[in-house]
Amino acid sequence: DARVTQTPRHKVTEMGQEVTMRCQPILGHNTVFWYRQTMMQGLELLAYFRNRAPLDDSGMPKDRFSAEMPDATLATLKIQPSEPRDSAVYFCASGPNTNTEAFFGQGTRLTVV
Amino acid sequence: AQTVTQSQPEMSVQEAETVTLSCTYDTSENNYYLFWYKQPPSRQMILVIRQEAYKQQNATENRFSVNFQKAAKSFSLKISDSQLGDTAMYFCAFMKLLDDKIIFGKGTRLHILP
Repeated sequence: DARVTQTPRHKVTEMGQEVTMRCQPILGHNTVFWYRQTMMQGLELLAYFRNRAPLDDSGMPKDRFSAEMPDATLATLKIQPSEPRDSAVYFCASGPNTNTEAFFGQGTRLTVV
Repeated sequence: AQTVTQSQPEMSVQEAETVTLSCTYDTSENNYYLFWYKQPPSRQMILVIRQEAYKQQNATENRFSVNFQKAAKSFSLKISDSQLGDTAMYFCAFMKLLDDKIIFGKGTRLHILP
């Protein structure tokens, strides 16, 4: 069945290291979102793309975070350098052209020590 | 900017009871979508129910129904005959029509007690 696939499911890294999270959206979906979930802030929208073009990344710390869609089947979120405050669950979601809802992946739990 | 507020951080009810989760939102838009998502301990975000603002009829999905009050900007979720599997975080969310951004509330943690 169609689903959003995120890798890795879990990542533990040391402060200062680069982290790359990957997402394969549902085939045919043209909107891709990156959300970050923490206990304090809940679900925050970091960035989203439509037809691979970035539409809004205002929720993302620009100095260390970057989001790209090299092709329609892959979205990436990079953090360089990572910091302990980046520890969170990062969700990717994709949506169809009708923009009626978003389908979520299972998330990447990132721990920066 | 749109905001979504869930005033109940945590709730507990006995199995088989009915429970209502509250959500209010703020927007100047007239056309939009509202959602309730469920996040069980597995972490997966699951869409429970969706409401189009232009529809007056409240959406229902089996044991889940909403009370959509557009003028009051209120969108509550009612779970009837609650089951242990309903234990989860529940997020209320908003999306403008013809936009892509989905804005989430902080969530309500619901415990169904045996």
